Amino acid sequence: SQTIHQWPATLVQPVGSPLSLECTVEGTSNPNLYWYRQAAGRGLQLLFYSVGIGQISSEVPQNLSASRPQDRQFILSSKKLLLSDSGFYLCAWSLRGTGEQYFGPGTRLTVT
Amino acid sequence: ELKVEQNPLFLSMQEGKNYTIYCNYSTTSDRLYWYRQDPGKSLESLFVLLSNGAVKQEGRLMASLDTKARLSTLHITAAVHDLSATYFCAVARTNFGNEKLTFGTGTRLTIIP
Repeated sequence: SQTIHQWPATLVQPVGSPLSLECTVEGTSNPNLYWYRQAAGRGLQLLFYSVGIGQISSEVPQNLSASRPQDRQFILSSKKLLLSDSGFYLCAWSLRGTGEQYFGPGTRLTVT
Repeated sequence: ELKVEQNPLFLSMQEGKNYTIYCNYSTTSDRLYWYRQDPGKSLESLFVLLSNGAVKQEGRLMASLDTKARLSTLHITAAVHDLSATYFCAVARTNFGNEKLTFGTGTRLTIIP
């Protein structure tokens, strides 16, 4: 069966510091991968999605970036965090060509 | 741009009552998903609706899709406390053969004993 992992689970970082969040999927090959952000009490905003290694599409302009160095690894990064980057970051995967997405446990980021 | 609206945003209801959550969307799509989120937790898939007229039921929850009206409903029958959660609908849009989801704003459901 498929499993999706995210780490860290929680993170507190000062403004201006760098960020690296990692997501890995087990039990499937060539998944589509997604990064979402959820602000407190709000819905989900799609940040990035990837259909393959090195293929990243950005949905919204921001100071975040994403990379996919391996088939089942998706990384979200920032060089300098802003207060507005605080939120709950969710990674998700789906089978190629299908829509149903399966979500990881999430990383709660607080920028102070 | 695809817009997805849910109503109500907040719903407080007594145990044993019935209620419906509505999900409206702005452009054509024939696939819609419902998710549940408990406080501080990730999203759990509830229903996948893949065609006009699709109806799915699981326990006290039933979801339906009307693609002509661009409307999906999530009906709760005889609510119990453990259904308290936030419910999201998500509408699929296809881009070069790959689906992306646009999520609604969510409905925070509180079941009162």
